[in-house]
Amino acid sequence: EDQVTQSPEALRLQEGESSSLNCSYTVSGLRGLFWYRQDPGKGPEFLFTLYSAGEEKEKERLKATLTKKESFLHITAPKPEDSATYLCAVQAAGGTSYGKLTFGQGTILTVHP
Amino acid sequence: NAGVMQNPRHLVRRRGQEARLRCSPMKGHSHVYWYRQLPEEGLKFMVYLQKENIIDESGMPKERFSAEFPKEGPSILRIQQVVRGDSAAYFCASSLTDQPQHFGDGTRLSIL
Repeated sequence: EDQVTQSPEALRLQEGESSSLNCSYTVSGLRGLFWYRQDPGKGPEFLFTLYSAGEEKEKERLKATLTKKESFLHITAPKPEDSATYLCAVQAAGGTSYGKLTFGQGTILTVHP
Repeated sequence: NAGVMQNPRHLVRRRGQEARLRCSPMKGHSHVYWYRQLPEEGLKFMVYLQKENIIDESGMPKERFSAEFPKEGPSILRIQQVVRGDSAAYFCASSLTDQPQHFGDGTRLSIL
């Protein structure tokens, strides 16, 4: 069974204090690993897709990296507007389950001014 | 370019009633997915549909739940004879073939 574990559960940062969020996964053949951002009362907002170990993607203050067992979301010089829950999900390769995303529990990020 | 539209945003039902949740995918998207988020839990996959076909319903409870995505109109998630444990946020996502899923803002279902 595919599994995704995110750590830490919650992270409090001061504005400008860089840090990383971790996503460990086990999957029977990785089709893709996805990062989403979710604000309270809203649906997940797509950030990145990573497909193979060694791949990196960047968007503004966010950078996602991927190894064979985990992914990191690096946040550089965060701002209060980066406060949200960050979700990691995996999609398995093959069969009819290729549409299904398996999500972690998320990391609640709070950035204080 | 409208995103994934879900309605209603909030739905209140009494135990034993039926709940119908609607999802209009993004323009041009033919793949629709439903997820459920229970209080204090993560998002859980329920069902994956393409136009007029159910591709994967491995996450759908065997009884009382059904989903459809007709040739015309929105996708519908139907819950019959609702119980308190059905209270949750239900999210719909859509995608192009082999592209990331984009989510709506969900329907929050409350059972009295």
